[in-house]
Amino acid sequence: EAGVAQSPRYKIIEKRQSVAFWCNPISGHATLYWYQQILGQGPKLLIQFQNNGVVDDSQLPKDRFSAERLKGVDSTLKIQPAKLEDSAVYLCASSPSRSLLETQYFGPGTRLLVL
Amino acid sequence: AQKITQTQPGMFVQEKEAVTLDCTYDTSDQSYGLFWYKQPSSGEMIFLIYQGSYDEQNATEGRYSLNFQKARKSANLVISASQLGDSAMYFCAMRPWNTGNQFYFGTGTSLTVIP
Repeated sequence: EAGVAQSPRYKIIEKRQSVAFWCNPISGHATLYWYQQILGQGPKLLIQFQNNGVVDDSQLPKDRFSAERLKGVDSTLKIQPAKLEDSAVYLCASSPSRSLLETQYFGPGTRLLVL
Repeated sequence: AQKITQTQPGMFVQEKEAVTLDCTYDTSDQSYGLFWYKQPSSGEMIFLIYQGSYDEQNATEGRYSLNFQKARKSANLVISASQLGDSAMYFCAMRPWNTGNQFYFGTGTSLTVIP
């Protein structure tokens, strides 16, 4: 079974530029998560999708971040314009359902450096 | 409020010895799941072990066991017979039932296994 795929793996941009990340979850997984992990910290949830609907985006900085999950499969996360403090690893994860018993499976992450 | 606390920023253990990584949590939910993840330097989060709030027995997965003390709200990870490949960041996470099923992560513990 293929795991969660993310691209690109690394990205370097200058502040005020825009950037987009792509995630393809494990086939059949209904729930998809985007996390931001700043160096030395635990992952912070940015947005959670259930199929193609948003369950929680309370911690997404909506003035600059946007995310979509068209057709309930793959997803894109965009930052426009980027700030220095956006430098982090962006992790995508998926889980089969919203059951308490289910873990989430993570992709390799995208390391973003904003100069 | 939902909160996960990991008080050990860094731990060292001798190869083949056992080590305990501490995790305490705070939630008003009666139903929740507790998870431990390993994050090697490569960055990918790897699921290790799960404990449900209603599980009476401590979870075990190979060399990993979870010391669950519900009254103390603690869910410590025990790694037996440490191996050099166990050197990584370890994150404790909680998934409460009544808050949209999102995962809350601690700040992590860096484990170094000494040969």
